Amino acid sequence: NAGVTQTPKFQVLKTGQSMTLQCAQDMNHEYMSWYRQDPGMGLRLIHYSVGAGITDQGEVPNGYNVSRSTTEDFPLRLLSAAPSQTSVYFCASSYFPTRQGEAFFGQGTRLTVV
Amino acid sequence: EDQVTQSPEALRLQEGESSSLNCSYTVSGLRGLFWYRQDPGKGPEFLFTLYSAGEEKEKERLKATLTKKESFLHITAPKPEDSATYLCAVQVLNFGNEKLTFGTGTRLTIIP
Repeated sequence: NAGVTQTPKFQVLKTGQSMTLQCAQDMNHEYMSWYRQDPGMGLRLIHYSVGAGITDQGEVPNGYNVSRSTTEDFPLRLLSAAPSQTSVYFCASSYFPTRQGEAFFGQGTRLTVV
Repeated sequence: EDQVTQSPEALRLQEGESSSLNCSYTVSGLRGLFWYRQDPGKGPEFLFTLYSAGEEKEKERLKATLTKKESFLHITAPKPEDSATYLCAVQVLNFGNEKLTFGTGTRLTIIP
């Protein structure tokens, strides 16, 4: 089992560019989520999905889109990058929404927007 | 508003010097409290789930406990490899949805 795989590990974008952060899990988990981690702040939820075809907004969704066409994949799209989106992004998965705290996290993507 | 506060922000211990990390919370409808370990440049790694006051979980040199207002992560005779940031999070039921709120973490350094 690879667990949760995120790509890329590092990325530098110019303001206004768009990109997709990839996330895949091979554990057949229903629940997947995206967080951002900023200095001095706890992990904050961007978007989440309770199953294929179902997504919803988290605490800080503005500027991001997600889709979930398969159980395995949950990509995060930055529509028009802004310096405020400079952060470390983590994808996570867990068996069920009621057990979302028992999560497996990816290695993270460190994104810098200049 | 749900709040999770971890203290101290940073802690330096000599190898073998036991201590505790604190996670205090103000939430309604606690569904679970979780502890994670995060190494630099890595994602958090799930350690423990605690569901109700009085519950305890242990793993190697770590023991997590829970009261109605806070949780402690006790580290007994730590080793340098225990150096990491330790995060806690609480899961609550919020308007029919499960919601996870994270603390900012305690950065633990164990000095050989």
